[in-house]
Amino acid sequence: AQKITQTQPGMFVQEKEAVTLDCTYDTSDQSYGLFWYKQPSSGEMIFLIYQGSYDEQNATEGRYSLNFQKARKSANLVISASQLGDSAMYFCAIRGSRLTFGEGTQLTVNP
Amino acid sequence: DTGVSQNPRHKITKRGQNVTFRCDPISEHNRLYWYRQTLGQGPEFLTYFQNEAQLEKSRLLSDRFSAERPKGSFSTLEIQRTEQGDSAMYLCASRSGVGAISGYTFGSGTRLTVV
Repeated sequence: AQKITQTQPGMFVQEKEAVTLDCTYDTSDQSYGLFWYKQPSSGEMIFLIYQGSYDEQNATEGRYSLNFQKARKSANLVISASQLGDSAMYFCAIRGSRLTFGEGTQLTVNP
Repeated sequence: DTGVSQNPRHKITKRGQNVTFRCDPISEHNRLYWYRQTLGQGPEFLTYFQNEAQLEKSRLLSDRFSAERPKGSFSTLEIQRTEQGDSAMYLCASRSGVGAISGYTFGSGTRLTVV
């Protein structure tokens, strides 16, 4: 079985600052993938970034980067230069035969 | 490519009634997933299709729930004798299954309210 733990129910950040959203995972698979999704209040799940377990470099996509520490089983999302539109729920997920999600972190960006 | 489409967007039903939701995946995607999301929680896996074959079902999928993907294209999720605990967002996702990093594309979901 696979499990994702997100220990921050809510996070606050000032506009233009960076923020780190924590994610730890548990899996017995040797090969797996880690995803981050954003879910605004409208409800759609928006793909942000992906990290494969064998990728040696941390993934980056624009203002998003994934701090992947395999030995610690963590895959934290770093958002640089936060914008008001970044306010949303953020979910970490691990892929086996399907995606398993954590409980999410509600990010609020303050002006 | 118009993304994953789910209908209806909202559904209000009385307890005990049956409801059916539809998901139209991205046309070239052969894998289709159903998830349920309650308020403040992450999505929970319900079931998964590869083409028309239903390959995995969660224990969350009680005998009141049934999903089909008859021609390997669109899928339906039916809930019989709805209960108030069925109130949730039902999300559909699809992916191509080709390549390790093929992403999951989600629809906007169907929000079910059972009164």
